[in-house]
Amino acid sequence: GAGVSQSPRYKVAKRGQDVALRCDPISGHVSLFWYQQALGQGPEFLTYFQNEAQLDKSGLPSDRFFAERPEGSVSTLKIQRTQQEDSAVYLCASSLPSGGSRSTDTQYFGPGTRLTVL
Amino acid sequence: QKEVEQNSGPLSVPEGAIASLNCTYSDRGSQSFFWYRQYSGKSPELIMFIYSNGDKEDGRFTAQLNKASQYVSLLIRDSQPSDSATYLCAPQSAGNKLTFGGGTRVLVKP
Repeated sequence: GAGVSQSPRYKVAKRGQDVALRCDPISGHVSLFWYQQALGQGPEFLTYFQNEAQLDKSGLPSDRFFAERPEGSVSTLKIQRTQQEDSAVYLCASSLPSGGSRSTDTQYFGPGTRLTVL
Repeated sequence: QKEVEQNSGPLSVPEGAIASLNCTYSDRGSQSFFWYRQYSGKSPELIMFIYSNGDKEDGRFTAQLNKASQYVSLLIRDSQPSDSATYLCAPQSAGNKLTFGGGTRVLVKP
């Protein structure tokens, strides 16, 4: 079946531009996560949705970062007034919520969007 | 102190040998522990997860968990050149978010 998809795969922005990154989770997956991965480092948590509700946004680095999932499926991560330090790979992951089975907590990752801010 | 510590490597092992990867974590509330493999330029893919103390085997991979010591490890038996990648340890905390270590780069030499 189809996995998590993200678009665009690559994005080059000039400093100060706004960008929008899209994530299509696996069909039926209730939970959706965004992570940021800088070069040579592990992914870092940004935010988490359960259906359309944003339950945790503690990882968003500044108020320039905003995420939404209005209908509980597709999600968009928006970065306003991009800065060079925003250059990274943005990963989206989805999972089923735990219904008593640990295996359903597994997060499946999309291919990521590589953002380069010049 | 980082929340999740891994030796960055590279861990160089000959083909056919056992690769041993270690991970320590600070959040005692972590319940499940995931190992992901990440090839260069690709996204993380799940190797296996463990949530009970002890060993869990899946094919050539064995995960070991010791919650008292806040330690989790991954053994790769009969290492193959295709196992050359970065291995990410990720405890899962309440709220389901994953906290990743920096990863251990493994190089399997033919």
